[in-house]
Amino acid sequence: DGGITQSPKYLFRKEGQNVTLSCEQNLNHDAMYWYRQDPGQGLRLIYYSQIVNDFQKGDIAEGYSVSREKKESFPLTVTSAQKNPTAFYLCASSVVTGREQFFGPGTRLTVL
Amino acid sequence: QKEVEQNSGPLSVPEGAIASLNCTYSDRGSQSFFWYRQYSGKSPELIMFIYSNGDKEDGRFTAQLNKASQYVSLLIRDSQPSDSATYLCAVNDGRGSQGNLIFGKGTKLSVKP
Repeated sequence: DGGITQSPKYLFRKEGQNVTLSCEQNLNHDAMYWYRQDPGQGLRLIYYSQIVNDFQKGDIAEGYSVSREKKESFPLTVTSAQKNPTAFYLCASSVVTGREQFFGPGTRLTVL
Repeated sequence: QKEVEQNSGPLSVPEGAIASLNCTYSDRGSQSFFWYRQYSGKSPELIMFIYSNGDKEDGRFTAQLNKASQYVSLLIRDSQPSDSATYLCAVNDGRGSQGNLIFGKGTKLSVKP
């Protein structure tokens, strides 16, 4: 089955901790993305990557970091510098940027 | 700032009716347009995309694009209670293959049995 997986489904973080969200795709897509969704809000782009070993900041990159060492994987780290990290995090991929994106099931992060 | 605007709803229609969802966008350079369905607590699912002016039909769904008016719509015929969800409109930001998608905040649709 081709698709995008995210783990964990739910994540709880204490204040001051860094946490890493996993995103893996087997669709052979070059582009991958991380979005944040808050209740009643649209999707806000955190980071995106057009190709392995390259990534760009989106609209709300502060307090987040990413890596793209493999085509299939695009992990997101939520650092302690992110002051309000409680949200629904969505990973997506597309053949190339600008084309239709396909989403993983999401990770719901809660700060305790 | 490039924007995609949607009426937040909720839009309520009776079962079997046509639901009409609308979206306007600010960037005249946008070339591709997408509709996603998002059930509560779930991730967005791609329903349709359209690149050229006119209509595109897929089963009960029809996407309509009017570039001159910067307007894209989604029609759902014979609406079912299972269509109750939030529908997100997304638009390419006009930079072609270098661009990203800009998402609207979504319209919540409720189909009443």
